[in-house]
Amino acid sequence: QKEVEQDPGPLSVPEGAIVSLNCTYSNSAFQYFMWYRQYSRKGPELLMYTYSSGNKEDGRFTAQVDKSSKYISLFIRDSQPSDSATYLCAMSDAGGTSYGKLTFGQGTILTVHP
Amino acid sequence: DGGITQSPKYLFRKEGQNVTLSCEQNLNHDAMYWYRQDPGQGLRLIYYSQIVNDFQKGDIAEGYSVSREKKESFPLTVTSAQKNPTAFYLCASSPRWAYEQYFGPGTRLTVT
Repeated sequence: QKEVEQDPGPLSVPEGAIVSLNCTYSNSAFQYFMWYRQYSRKGPELLMYTYSSGNKEDGRFTAQVDKSSKYISLFIRDSQPSDSATYLCAMSDAGGTSYGKLTFGQGTILTVHP
Repeated sequence: DGGITQSPKYLFRKEGQNVTLSCEQNLNHDAMYWYRQDPGQGLRLIYYSQIVNDFQKGDIAEGYSVSREKKESFPLTVTSAQKNPTAFYLCASSPRWAYEQYFGPGTRLTVT
């Protein structure tokens, strides 16, 4: 079983829809959670970064962490065609021998059609 | 403009040849990382370096080598020992004591 599981999709939604992207993980030591957006043939771009449990909002994006369920989500409101990309979740524990290492999900391909 | 540059964008090599991928950053970040991305898969860590002149193997280091002689630079050599070198290679960096990483644009390596 992978440490981080992410539904690869693909996910196709109409413009204006609310999108929910999710990852589950097995390592209870993970405390730092990130979402990256990756356009085709480009490097990933950091979208959201959260620490421990709770919600964080930035414009149309909301990141949610539920450590008790080992589950994180990214919500995109009023989705736009420009949101079409692969979304990667990533997480890290608090340090020790794995300090600085991120564990990534395999990415969800999202298409928002006009 | 601060950022991470990777060159070249596309690289073609014959089997049996070593090839070096460049990664430079002007963000004054201490840590640098190399990942490999294959279709339908997440990013897999090859090597990382927290400080100059020191680096550690990641999850898939076999067939790769790195150096970190300068804070700004972290070149990756793909050797002929790497069995499946064709992939998209991504370099990243992060500030000291930070967990978030920032990525370069990537180099697509094709070995035939």
